[in-house]
Amino acid sequence: AQSVTQPDIHITVSEGASLELRCNYSYGATPYLFWYVQSPGQGLQLLLKYFSGDTLVQGIKGFEAEFKRSQSSFNLRKPSVHWSDAAEYFCAVGAMEYGNKLVFGAGTILRVKS
Amino acid sequence: NAGVTQTPKFRVLKTGQSMTLLCAQDMNHEYMYWYRQDPGMGLRLIHYSVGEGTTAKGEVPDGYNVSRLKKQNFLLGLESAAPSQTSVYFCASTRDINTEAFFGQGTRLTVV
Repeated sequence: AQSVTQPDIHITVSEGASLELRCNYSYGATPYLFWYVQSPGQGLQLLLKYFSGDTLVQGIKGFEAEFKRSQSSFNLRKPSVHWSDAAEYFCAVGAMEYGNKLVFGAGTILRVKS
Repeated sequence: NAGVTQTPKFRVLKTGQSMTLLCAQDMNHEYMYWYRQDPGMGLRLIHYSVGEGTTAKGEVPDGYNVSRLKKQNFLLGLESAAPSQTSVYFCASTRDINTEAFFGQGTRLTVV
């Protein structure tokens, strides 16, 4: 079955510092990969997605992610974090071969210190 | 354009009571999902549907039932609520498996 692992439960970075959030998936073929962000008390908003083509994808709010098939990873990055980026970030995997399920990781809570 | 609407937003149930959560989307999406969100566990898939009249089990289906009689609505039922079902429930819909999922604002359910 498909699965998603986000190994970091919490990450704290200083404002202006770079950020990388890790995501690993368990799946045989090329899945559909997503990053979502959730602000406190809110629903989820799509940051970016990958399903084919260029392995480096750009998203909203200055985020990008790189698909690495050899490492089964889809890490999220941002060169310079802003205080407003503090939120919870979720990696998700979709797969037709697994019945079109959309499965999420456990999430990473990002704290930004000024 | 309302997107995905969940009702109710809050609910307190006593153990053993039943209730139905309603998810409605106005985007003509084929796929709809129900998740529960618990601290440290992310969003766990309860049940989902890939079209009107179809449903399938997700990762944590026990204690829940669903129905998709109309394309725009996806109902989640709890027949006999248990304290372990205290959670925040999110509904989502997508046009296809490789497109953006749109989420409702969530339902906070407490079972006492």
